[in-house]
Amino acid sequence: NAGVMQNPRHLVRRRGQEARLRCSPMKGHSHVYWYRQLPEEGLKFMVYLQKENIIDESGMPKERFSAEFPKEGPSILRIQQVVRGDSAAYFCASSQLTDTQYFGPGTRLTVL
Amino acid sequence: AQTVTQSQPEMSVQEAETVTLSCTYDTSENNYYLFWYKQPPSRQMILVIRQEAYKQQNATENRFSVNFQKAAKSFSLKISDSQLGDTAMYFCAFMRNQGGKLIFGQGTELSVKP
Repeated sequence: NAGVMQNPRHLVRRRGQEARLRCSPMKGHSHVYWYRQLPEEGLKFMVYLQKENIIDESGMPKERFSAEFPKEGPSILRIQQVVRGDSAAYFCASSQLTDTQYFGPGTRLTVL
Repeated sequence: AQTVTQSQPEMSVQEAETVTLSCTYDTSENNYYLFWYKQPPSRQMILVIRQEAYKQQNATENRFSVNFQKAAKSFSLKISDSQLGDTAMYFCAFMRNQGGKLIFGQGTELSVKP
């Protein structure tokens, strides 16, 4: 049973560009979560999605950030007009129902 | 709002010895989950152990066990027979019984020395 997949593993963007991060949950998992880890810090919750629905986006910055989990395909975290402060590791996790969350390997975003 | 506190930023232990990492949390909920995750140098987040608050019995997973004190809101992790591969950042996390977001502590960086 494949784990949570994230791609790309590393992403470099210049200021003002868009970043798209993808997450495929574990097989059978319909709940997806995105977290951000700034350097030398713990993980901070961003958004919780089920298929085609955003359940909780209380941790998502109000501007430039959006997330989706379509009926078909991976969940996407989109960051528009990136700034240097967006440089971080972005982790996706998935769960079956409201249960233990399993994490992907993360995407390391570097904004030049 | 729930909070999770790990008061030990760094710890070290000799190989084969036992170490305990501390975690306290604050919540008004009665039913919830608590977790320990480890993050080795590869940065992958790996589940170590999970505890349901309604269970009085402390969870164990091989060399890893917890001391769950619900009244004190304390959830410590004991690692027995420490191995070099246990070197990692360890995060304590809280989740409401209804699911949703994990709330993480600041982490404890554990070094296992040969």
